[in-house]
Amino acid sequence: KAGVTQTPRYLIKTRGQQVTLSCSPISGHRSVSWYQQTPGQGLQFLFEYFSETQRNKGNFPGRFSGRQFSNSRSEMNVSTLELGDSALYLCASSLGPTNEKLFFGSGTQLSVL
Amino acid sequence: QQPVQSPQAVILREGEDAVINCSSSKALYSVHWYRQKHGEAPVFLMILLKGGEQKGHEKISASFNEKKQQSSLYLTASQLSYSGTYFCGTESGSGNTPLVFGKGTRLSVIA
Repeated sequence: KAGVTQTPRYLIKTRGQQVTLSCSPISGHRSVSWYQQTPGQGLQFLFEYFSETQRNKGNFPGRFSGRQFSNSRSEMNVSTLELGDSALYLCASSLGPTNEKLFFGSGTQLSVL
Repeated sequence: QQPVQSPQAVILREGEDAVINCSSSKALYSVHWYRQKHGEAPVFLMILLKGGEQKGHEKISASFNEKKQQSSLYLTASQLSYSGTYFCGTESGSGNTPLVFGKGTRLSVIA
């Protein structure tokens, strides 16, 4: 069974631009969560989707948005990029809507210059 | 609110034991433990539900003290493969809330 796939693996953008990250969950998983990881801060929760509905949202500005499609694939978008948005963005999938075992992707490393 | 992990970092020799603690100021429903090796995705270790349940995974086990709102991860007879950053994730209230992770504990096992 294929794992969680995130694309692209690396991204370099400049301030003010926008970016879209993609996540394909494990086949059969209907829940997708997104986390931002920066050195020393651990994993900061961004949002969680289940069956195309956003169930929870973290304390991030409105520049961060996401969505989930009917095939459970998910995208997150960051508009008007700032230097502080540089981070590893991790996507995790699970079978159901509750906090079960999460399967993480390798992440997208975003660098904002 | 983000749980607090201690210590922030620890260095062990092969065969030594270690304990990693995770504390929260909120009433907890569950505690989740993950390990992330350098450059890799976090990998699930175990979930503990309120009730003081202790779980084990080979030589890695954990406990959950509901009254103290804390969990401890025990690594016995450490191996080189145990090196990585360990994260606890907590779920508060009655569940169905986002998993909030601590800042992590960096564990290095040396020969």
